[in-house]
Amino acid sequence: NAGVTQTPKFRVLKTGQSMTLLCAQDMNHEYMYWYRQDPGMGLRLIHYSVGEGTTAKGEVPDGYNVSRLKKQNFLLGLESAAPSQTSVYFCASTHSGKSSYNEQFFGPGTRLTVL
Amino acid sequence: SQKIEQNSEALNIQEGKTATLTCNYTNYSPAYLQWYRQDPGRGPVFLLLIRENEKEKRKERLKVTFDTTLKQSLFHITASQPADSATYLCALYSGAGSYQLTFGKGTKLSVIP
Repeated sequence: NAGVTQTPKFRVLKTGQSMTLLCAQDMNHEYMYWYRQDPGMGLRLIHYSVGEGTTAKGEVPDGYNVSRLKKQNFLLGLESAAPSQTSVYFCASTHSGKSSYNEQFFGPGTRLTVL
Repeated sequence: SQKIEQNSEALNIQEGKTATLTCNYTNYSPAYLQWYRQDPGRGPVFLLLIRENEKEKRKERLKVTFDTTLKQSLFHITASQPADSATYLCALYSGAGSYQLTFGKGTKLSVIP
Protein backbone atom coordinates (compact mmCIF):
# COMPACT_ATOMS: atom_id res chain seq x y z
CA ASN A 1 0.00 0.00 0.00
CA ALA A 2 1.26 3.45 -0.93
CA GLY A 3 -0.73 5.16 1.84
CA VAL A 4 -1.30 8.85 1.09
CA THR A 5 0.42 10.29 -1.98
CA GLN A 6 0.57 13.89 -3.17
CA THR A 7 1.27 15.34 -6.60
CA PRO A 8 3.34 17.38 -7.34
CA LYS A 9 6.13 17.46 -4.73
CA PHE A 10 7.30 20.96 -5.67
CA ARG A 11 5.82 23.78 -7.71
CA VAL A 12 6.65 27.41 -8.44
CA LEU A 13 3.83 29.65 -9.62
CA LYS A 14 3.56 33.27 -10.62
CA THR A 15 0.97 35.48 -8.94
CA GLY A 16 -2.41 34.98 -10.59
CA GLN A 17 -1.71 31.52 -11.98
CA SER A 18 -3.89 28.58 -11.08
CA MET A 19 -3.05 25.03 -10.15
CA THR A 20 -4.49 21.87 -8.64
CA LEU A 21 -2.84 19.70 -6.00
CA LEU A 22 -3.82 16.06 -6.04
CA CYS A 23 -4.08 13.80 -3.02
CA ALA A 24 -4.73 10.09 -3.33
CA GLN A 25 -5.14 7.42 -0.65
CA ASP A 26 -5.44 3.66 -1.02
CA MET A 27 -6.67 2.86 2.50
CA ASN A 28 -10.40 3.25 1.75
CA HIS A 29 -10.60 6.13 4.25
CA GLU A 30 -13.79 8.16 4.47
CA TYR A 31 -12.26 11.38 5.77
CA MET A 32 -9.68 13.47 3.95
CA TYR A 33 -8.06 16.79 4.84
CA TRP A 34 -5.91 19.55 3.35
CA TYR A 35 -3.54 21.48 5.65
CA ARG A 36 -0.96 24.15 5.10
CA GLN A 37 2.14 24.48 7.25
CA ASP A 38 3.97 27.75 7.67
CA PRO A 39 6.93 28.64 9.93
CA GLY A 40 5.68 29.83 13.31
CA MET A 41 2.06 29.02 12.45
CA GLY A 42 1.97 25.26 12.64
CA LEU A 43 -0.45 23.10 10.66
CA ARG A 44 -3.73 24.78 9.75
CA LEU A 45 -6.76 23.09 8.23
CA ILE A 46 -7.88 24.47 4.86
CA HIS A 47 -10.75 22.18 3.83
CA TYR A 48 -11.85 18.69 4.63
CA SER A 49 -14.23 16.00 3.39
CA VAL A 50 -16.17 13.38 5.31
CA GLY A 51 -17.11 11.37 2.24
CA GLU A 52 -17.31 11.25 -1.53
CA GLY A 53 -19.10 14.30 -2.87
CA THR A 54 -18.88 16.27 0.39
CA THR A 55 -16.53 19.08 1.41
CA ALA A 56 -16.38 21.57 4.28
CA LYS A 57 -14.34 24.63 5.23
CA GLY A 58 -11.60 24.51 7.80
CA GLU A 59 -9.74 27.29 9.56
CA VAL A 60 -8.19 29.01 6.52
CA PRO A 61 -10.33 28.26 3.42
CA ASP A 62 -10.11 31.60 1.59
CA GLY A 63 -8.45 31.42 -1.82
CA TYR A 64 -8.82 27.65 -2.10
CA ASN A 65 -11.41 25.27 -3.49
CA VAL A 66 -11.66 21.51 -3.15
CA SER A 67 -13.43 18.59 -4.73
CA ARG A 68 -13.94 14.94 -3.74
CA LEU A 69 -15.42 13.28 -6.80
CA LYS A 70 -13.92 9.89 -5.94
CA LYS A 71 -13.48 8.45 -2.47
CA GLN A 72 -9.75 7.94 -2.93
CA ASN A 73 -8.95 11.42 -4.29
CA PHE A 74 -9.12 14.89 -2.78
CA LEU A 75 -8.17 17.85 -4.97
CA LEU A 76 -7.08 21.28 -3.74
CA GLY A 77 -7.33 24.14 -6.22
CA LEU A 78 -5.84 27.60 -6.24
CA GLU A 79 -7.73 29.71 -8.78
CA SER A 80 -5.51 32.80 -8.62
CA ALA A 81 -2.35 32.18 -6.62
CA ALA A 82 -1.01 34.86 -4.28
CA PRO A 83 2.38 35.11 -2.54
CA SER A 84 0.58 34.56 0.80
CA GLN A 85 -0.20 31.02 -0.41
CA THR A 86 3.48 30.11 -0.44
CA SER A 87 3.56 27.20 1.96
CA VAL A 88 3.95 23.47 2.38
CA TYR A 89 0.65 21.68 1.79
CA PHE A 90 -0.16 18.37 3.43
CA CYS A 91 -2.99 16.01 2.71
CA ALA A 92 -4.21 13.56 5.35
CA SER A 93 -6.83 10.87 5.65
CA THR A 94 -8.45 8.82 8.38
CA HIS A 95 -11.05 6.10 8.65
CA SER A 96 -14.38 6.72 10.32
CA GLY A 97 -14.87 3.58 12.39
CA LYS A 98 -16.63 3.71 15.78
CA SER A 99 -14.70 6.73 16.93
CA SER A 100 -14.12 9.82 14.87
CA TYR A 101 -10.96 10.59 16.87
CA ASN A 102 -8.73 8.33 14.88
CA GLU A 103 -5.15 8.90 13.82
CA GLN A 104 -4.59 10.81 10.64
CA PHE A 105 -2.25 9.52 7.95
CA PHE A 106 -0.32 12.24 6.18
CA GLY A 107 1.15 12.52 2.73
CA PRO A 108 4.73 13.69 2.06
CA GLY A 109 3.70 17.27 1.30
CA THR A 110 3.82 19.70 -1.64
CA ARG A 111 6.13 22.69 -1.40
CA LEU A 112 4.52 25.60 -3.26
CA THR A 113 6.19 28.93 -3.96
CA VAL A 114 4.21 31.81 -5.42
CA LEU A 115 6.34 34.60 -6.87
CA SER B 1 -12.06 30.32 21.78
CA GLN B 2 -10.22 27.01 21.57
CA LYS B 3 -6.49 27.14 21.92
CA ILE B 4 -3.55 24.71 21.96
CA GLU B 5 -0.11 25.75 23.14
CA GLN B 6 3.16 23.88 23.14
CA ASN B 7 5.29 25.81 25.54
CA SER B 8 8.71 25.27 24.05
CA GLU B 9 9.67 25.92 20.45
CA ALA B 10 12.88 23.99 20.93
CA LEU B 11 14.28 21.60 23.51
CA ASN B 12 17.85 20.28 23.70
CA ILE B 13 18.58 17.21 25.77
CA GLN B 14 21.51 14.91 26.39
CA GLU B 15 21.34 11.38 25.03
CA GLY B 16 20.06 8.90 27.59
CA LYS B 17 18.02 11.49 29.52
CA THR B 18 14.23 11.77 29.58
CA ALA B 19 12.73 14.43 27.33
CA THR B 20 9.49 16.02 28.54
CA LEU B 21 7.33 18.09 26.19
CA THR B 22 4.27 20.07 27.29
CA CYS B 23 0.94 20.70 25.59
CA ASN B 24 -1.69 22.98 27.14
CA TYR B 25 -5.21 23.52 25.85
CA THR B 26 -8.28 25.60 26.61
CA ASN B 27 -11.97 25.20 25.78
CA TYR B 28 -11.89 21.64 24.43
CA SER B 29 -14.53 19.29 25.81
CA PRO B 30 -14.34 16.38 25.59
CA ALA B 31 -10.66 16.24 24.83
CA TYR B 32 -9.02 13.57 22.70
CA LEU B 33 -5.37 14.45 22.43
CA GLN B 34 -2.95 13.04 19.89
CA TRP B 35 0.81 13.32 19.56
CA TYR B 36 2.59 13.25 16.20
CA ARG B 37 6.23 13.23 15.15
CA GLN B 38 7.43 15.23 12.15
CA ASP B 39 10.85 14.90 10.55
CA PRO B 40 12.23 17.65 8.27
CA GLY B 41 10.68 17.55 4.82
CA ARG B 42 8.12 14.90 5.76
CA GLY B 43 4.52 14.70 6.87
CA PRO B 44 3.56 14.14 10.52
CA VAL B 45 3.36 10.57 11.78
CA PHE B 46 0.91 9.53 14.50
CA LEU B 47 2.42 8.33 17.79
CA LEU B 48 -0.20 8.15 20.54
CA LEU B 49 -3.79 9.03 21.39
CA ILE B 50 -4.98 9.72 24.94
CA ARG B 51 -8.56 10.32 25.99
CA GLU B 52 -9.80 12.69 28.64
CA ASN B 53 -10.66 9.83 31.01
CA GLU B 54 -7.20 8.25 30.67
CA LYS B 55 -4.45 9.55 32.90
CA GLU B 56 -1.54 7.82 31.21
CA LYS B 57 -0.64 5.92 28.03
CA ARG B 58 2.59 4.14 27.17
CA LYS B 59 4.17 2.85 23.99
CA GLU B 60 7.70 1.49 24.22
CA ARG B 61 9.88 4.44 25.39
CA LEU B 62 7.03 6.92 25.01
CA LYS B 63 4.68 7.97 27.79
CA VAL B 64 1.84 10.47 27.61
CA THR B 65 -0.01 11.85 30.63
CA PHE B 66 -3.21 13.85 30.73
CA ASP B 67 -4.22 16.23 33.53
CA THR B 68 -7.75 17.49 32.92
CA THR B 69 -7.58 19.87 35.90
CA LEU B 70 -4.54 21.63 34.48
CA LYS B 71 -5.76 21.01 30.90
CA GLN B 72 -2.30 19.74 30.10
CA SER B 73 -0.64 16.77 28.48
CA LEU B 74 2.98 15.79 29.02
CA PHE B 75 4.88 13.72 26.45
CA HIS B 76 7.91 11.84 27.72
CA ILE B 77 10.65 10.04 25.81
CA THR B 78 12.78 7.95 28.15
CA ALA B 79 16.37 6.96 27.39
CA SER B 80 16.39 9.46 24.54
CA GLN B 81 18.49 8.78 21.43
CA PRO B 82 19.74 11.06 18.63
CA ALA B 83 17.22 9.31 16.36
CA ASP B 84 14.45 10.83 18.51
CA SER B 85 15.42 14.29 17.25
CA ALA B 86 12.36 15.66 15.44
CA THR B 87 9.48 18.08 15.89
CA TYR B 88 6.66 16.78 18.06
CA LEU B 89 3.14 18.06 17.58
CA CYS B 90 0.16 17.74 19.87
CA ALA B 91 -3.32 17.90 18.38
CA LEU B 92 -6.91 17.91 19.59
CA TYR B 93 -10.24 17.17 17.98
CA SER B 94 -12.57 20.13 18.40
CA GLY B 95 -15.17 18.28 20.43
CA ALA B 96 -17.78 15.58 20.31
CA GLY B 97 -18.62 14.66 16.74
CA SER B 98 -16.00 16.97 15.30
CA TYR B 99 -13.92 15.88 12.35
CA GLN B 100 -11.43 18.72 12.65
CA LEU B 101 -8.03 18.19 14.27
CA THR B 102 -6.28 21.32 15.54
CA PHE B 103 -2.50 21.22 15.95
CA GLY B 104 -0.12 22.98 18.27
CA LYS B 105 2.88 24.67 16.69
CA GLY B 106 5.22 21.90 17.76
CA THR B 107 8.37 21.50 19.83
CA LYS B 108 11.64 20.76 18.06
CA LEU B 109 13.57 18.22 20.09
CA SER B 110 17.31 17.80 19.62
CA VAL B 111 19.00 14.88 21.38
CA ILE B 112 22.71 15.55 21.70
CA PRO B 113 25.08 12.56 21.68
